[in-house]
Amino acid sequence: EPEVTQTPSHQVTQMGQEVILRCVPISNHLYFYWYRQILGQKVEFLVSFYNNEISEKSEIFDDQFSVERPDGSNFTLKIRSTKLEDSAMYFCAIWTSGKVNEQFFGPGTRLTVL
Amino acid sequence: QKEVEQNSGPLSVPEGAIASLNCTYSDRVSQSFFWYRQYSGKSPELIMSIYSNGDKEDGRFTAQLNKASQYVSLLIRDSQPSDSATYLCAVSMTTDSWGKLQFGAGTQVVVTP
Repeated sequence: EPEVTQTPSHQVTQMGQEVILRCVPISNHLYFYWYRQILGQKVEFLVSFYNNEISEKSEIFDDQFSVERPDGSNFTLKIRSTKLEDSAMYFCAIWTSGKVNEQFFGPGTRLTVL
Repeated sequence: QKEVEQNSGPLSVPEGAIASLNCTYSDRVSQSFFWYRQYSGKSPELIMSIYSNGDKEDGRFTAQLNKASQYVSLLIRDSQPSDSATYLCAVSMTTDSWGKLQFGAGTQVVVTP
């Protein structure tokens, strides 16, 4: 059973539009992360979220980006005014502890900005 | 700029042979090291984590860490066609895996029957 799901699986939007990407963990987690991967490039850290606050963000995570946990379960990434270069796979990750401590990645949302 | 470097490949490996993947990192304070596997169009999935110098074995996989040389490697024994994927090296500044991960660009492995 996956630890985290993401919706939508694919989002197509026009440049300048706002998009909201959602991450739904199966159980309670304290640490959440967003990463992105532009086609053919490396996975890049965007932001980490701990105890309902941003704990760290990268230089990519500018004022166009925001994260929140509106209902205590879903974890969202909002891009206010999308640009062509925002086209990428966006992965939500959770930190899970147990037999192995790991950042477990969701299946991702493919964002296409036209 | 802190970097995690990997050979992009592709690394072609005959079925049943050993695949050897290398990764170097620039930040000496790095504490935790991970190998993820990523199939095309899919999300990364963790294969191995290693935190201290030496070797760590898990099934057909062995991770090796040398902090003095800032080098981490992954060996895949008895390579199978299903091992064909891109292998991502990731590094964290934290002693566990809860800190942000910095990824290398990945090494593509192709296992040929």
